[in-house]
Amino acid sequence: DIVMTQSPDSLAVSLGERATINCKSSQSILYNSNNKNYLGWYQQKPGQPPKLLIYWASTRESGVPDRFSGSGSGTDFTLTISSLQAEDVAVYYCHQYYTVPLTFGGGTKVEIK
Amino acid sequence: EVQLVESGGGLVQPGRSLRLSCTAFGFTFGDYIMSWFRQAPGKGLEWVGFMRSKTSGGATHYGASVNGRFTISRDDSKNIAYLQMSSLKTDDSAVYYCTASPPDPTGAAHPVYWGQGSLVTVSS
Repeated sequence: DIVMTQSPDSLAVSLGERATINCKSSQSILYNSNNKNYLGWYQQKPGQPPKLLIYWASTRESGVPDRFSGSGSGTDFTLTISSLQAEDVAVYYCHQYYTVPLTFGGGTKVEIK
Repeated sequence: EVQLVESGGGLVQPGRSLRLSCTAFGFTFGDYIMSWFRQAPGKGLEWVGFMRSKTSGGATHYGASVNGRFTISRDDSKNIAYLQMSSLKTDDSAVYYCTASPPDPTGAAHPVYWGQGSLVTVSS
C-alpha cells in the first residue's frame, strides 16, 4: 500500500499569512505515460464532507479560490494557502489515486493564530 | 446542480447486514466511477471501494478491511449506487460517503462530488 504522510499535524497561522502543508508518498505517484501526479487535496470543515481543492497535484478545482495552490511531483507535494482567511479553518487531506488501495494522509488541522 | 444523496444508515447489531443507497443528480451518472469512503468519529478518511462505469467494464475494487464483506453495485437506469454491507463489525461504525469520479482515460478514480454522508453505527 502507498502510505501518505502529512506534516505538520496542525498549523496555526495569522490571518493573511501563508500556510504550507506537506505530503509525502511512500512511492512515486507520477504516471510516466501521461506525466501526471495522481494526487489530490481535500478540505474538510466540521460536520461537512470533504471538498476537492486540487487534483493532478496542481490543478485547481473549479470555484476554488486562487489563494489555494498545489505543487510537487513524484513523492513530495505541497498545498499552499497564500493568504489565510477565516473560512479556511479546516482539516486538509492529501489523497493518492495512483493505485488501489486508494489512501489518504492523516490530515493537517489549520487554525487561526 | 450536482448532488449525491445517501440513505439507509442507522443502528445495526454486529454480524447483521445493511444496505446504503446513493442517488445522483445533475451529471451523467453512467459515465462516472462511483466510490464509497468512510470516516470513523474523530478519525481520518478511509477508502471502502469503487465500481467503474459499465462502459469501462464495471469492475469493482475494495479495501482490505471490507473485502469479502461489502459489495458495491449500481443501477444506471435509476442513477443509484449501492453499498451492501454484511457481517458488520463494531469497527465498521463510521460516516459513509458516496462519491463520483469523472471519466478518465487512465481510469483514475479521484472523487470530485461527495454526498453529505450517512452514519452507520454497529453496536449491540
